[in-house]
Amino acid sequence: DAGVTQSPTHLIKTRGQQVTLRCSPKSGHDTVSWYQQALGQGPQFIFQYYEEEERQRGNFPDRFSGHQFPNYSSELNVNALLLGDSALYLCASSLNTRKQFFGPGTRLTVL
Amino acid sequence: DAKTTQPPSMDCAEGRAANLPCNHSTISGNEYVYWYRQIHSQGPQYIIHGLKNNETNEMASLIITEDRKSSTLILPHATLRDTAVYYCIVSPNWGANSKLTFGKGITLSVRP
Repeated sequence: DAGVTQSPTHLIKTRGQQVTLRCSPKSGHDTVSWYQQALGQGPQFIFQYYEEEERQRGNFPDRFSGHQFPNYSSELNVNALLLGDSALYLCASSLNTRKQFFGPGTRLTVL
Repeated sequence: DAKTTQPPSMDCAEGRAANLPCNHSTISGNEYVYWYRQIHSQGPQYIIHGLKNNETNEMASLIITEDRKSSTLILPHATLRDTAVYYCIVSPNWGANSKLTFGKGITLSVRP
C-alpha cells in the first residue's frame, strides 16, 4: 500500500509565477491537509479538504488555493509567487482524525 | 488548540532511553497529546497519541501526568536513526477542526 505521494519533488519558479503541487492520499483516507514549512520552522497549516470542500483554513492569503478531486487526491495552487513562498510544502492525509500521514513534501524555490 | 512548550534540544547516548518532555498546562478535557517526529528533509511521522492513560506502541511510550499538564515521550533504546525533531501537539482527536499546530519541537541528537 503506497503511502502519501507528492509531486513534483523539487520545483524552481520566479517571482510572480503560479505553481501547482499535487498530492495523492494514503489508500482509504478521505481528508487531505496542506502545510508549509519554512527552513528551521515547524510546519504551518494552510488548509484542509474533505468531501471536495475546504473545511478549514489557516492564516494564509487568498493566493493560496486548493482543490480536492472525487478520488480524494488534491492540488495546492499558489499565485503571484513571492520570495517568501520558498518552503517545503507538505501534504498529509487522514481518515477524519488527527493521526495524519505525511508525504515527503515538495521543495519550492522562488527566485 | 492548547499551546505546548518543549526544550529546544537534548541528546542521549545510543542504546539508552531518551525521555522527551512536553508541557501543556492549558490542555482541555477533549484534547489528546500527539507526538510526531521529522527526520531531516522528510515529512513528519506519527509516533503515538494519548488522552490520559499511558500508551505504548512499537515505536515509543507516552507517559501523561495525572493532571494532564505535561507528558513524556520515551524512546526505550535510542538509535542513531532516532535523531530528529520531535513535536508535541495537543488537539481534539477528530472532527472538522483537525489541523495540527506545530511548534518548533525538540531536536534530539543520538550520539554513538
